[in-house]
Amino acid sequence: QSALTQPRSVSGSPGQSVTISCTGTSSDVGDYNYVSWYQQHPGKAPKLMIYDVSQRPSGVPDRFSGSKSGNTASLTISGLQAEDEADYYCCSYAGRNTWVFGGGTKLTVL
Amino acid sequence: EVQLVESGGGLVQPGGSPRLSCGASGFSFSTYSMSWVRQAPGKGLEWVSAISGGGATTYYADSVKGRFTISRDNSKNTLYLQMSSLRAEDTAVYYCAIGGYCTSTACRGRFDSWGQGTLVTVSS
Repeated sequence: QSALTQPRSVSGSPGQSVTISCTGTSSDVGDYNYVSWYQQHPGKAPKLMIYDVSQRPSGVPDRFSGSKSGNTASLTISGLQAEDEADYYCCSYAGRNTWVFGGGTKLTVL
Repeated sequence: EVQLVESGGGLVQPGGSPRLSCGASGFSFSTYSMSWVRQAPGKGLEWVSAISGGGATTYYADSVKGRFTISRDNSKNTLYLQMSSLRAEDTAVYYCAIGGYCTSTACRGRFDSWGQGTLVTVSS
């Protein structure tokens, strides 16, 4: 499968909101509600932030939210904080127990 | 507290066959599916393989099918990835993670917790 399409970078000032898009196809994002989002700080392991499109694991601030429309999923971070600066990856189930990730988006907090 | 600790990485010659291990603690290992996900230097994440909780069912990305074998020893709370016929493009940090497995009746559609990763460098 081809990687999901994410913007290479987004930025925002502290307190603002940013949205990161993740575009797939009708065979992955559009066909399943198993979209998840991961935050990765430099040199660290990824951390699950959103699963099943819009569910937040315990411990993840409610500033992080997810949604999906058609073949595009989105991660919105409101009330940006300096510690949110990281790389973000989306992931979708693609059928037959295979998974496809996005190329990643670098979030810069100005 | 969930802990996943990978080991077995290092410098490997092209065509080599290292085995990665992932020791798990802090959760009921045998009841969870497990996956391997890799990340080439400076690149994004790529799902590699998944295995059911009991170990009977396995899945692979096309890029590694026929070359990598995932397995687990639930008595030792350990996940493995046997790699073979390694190529330069297999150079990556390999992470083990909980989840990433769907059946016809249930799906753990995410990778809940991740280890710190182990770097495999394929070079002569």
